[in-house]
Amino acid sequence: DGGITQSPKYLFRKEGQNVTLSCEQNLNHDAMYWYRQDPGQGLRLIYYSQIVNDFQKGDIAEGYSVSREKKESFPLTVTSAQKNPTAFYLCASKSFGTSGTNTQYFGPGTRLTVL
Amino acid sequence: AQSVSQHNHHVILSEAASLELGCNYSYGGTVNLFWYVQYPGQHLQLLLKYFSGDPLVKGIKGFEAEFIKSKFSFNLRKPSVQWSDTAEYFCAVIPNSGYSTLTFGKGTMLLVSP
Repeated sequence: DGGITQSPKYLFRKEGQNVTLSCEQNLNHDAMYWYRQDPGQGLRLIYYSQIVNDFQKGDIAEGYSVSREKKESFPLTVTSAQKNPTAFYLCASKSFGTSGTNTQYFGPGTRLTVL
Repeated sequence: AQSVSQHNHHVILSEAASLELGCNYSYGGTVNLFWYVQYPGQHLQLLLKYFSGDPLVKGIKGFEAEFIKSKFSFNLRKPSVQWSDTAEYFCAVIPNSGYSTLTFGKGTMLLVSP
């Protein structure tokens, strides 16, 4: 079954704890992305990676960290420095191919609640 | 940097009504444009996209969108909505320069009453 998987679907953590969200894709896509979705704010880019072992900050990177050790995996760590971590987190990926493939596909998301 | 503006945050329609959701973007160069939909409890899905060619693009479930370059707009339309179209709709834009990132609008929540 091909696609993007995110686990877990729901995650609860105590304030002050770091937590890592998983994102895996078996689409052989080059680039992977992490977004945060809050009501009325749309999707905001946290971090992205266009190739293995390289990643760039998005618009709201503070309090987050990522790694890209494998092409198919792009985990996101929400650190205790993130002031408002409760949100819905979406992972996406896309292929850098010929024209017409500039399309991102999304995983099912992880809803993180920090108590 | 590019930006996207969606005109309505909430839209309420009765079944069989026509739908038009506004989307405007700001960017001086060539762009690719997308509409994504998020049904309740489901993940974000691609509804339709525009890369080049015919500015009227057709997507899934009877949706279409028209790219009007002079107005920097990419409005989403459907002639007759159904209760199952209840969802949140996001417009997104990305410069057509290979390694740019996607920028989303804030979304429009559509509620269709039966």
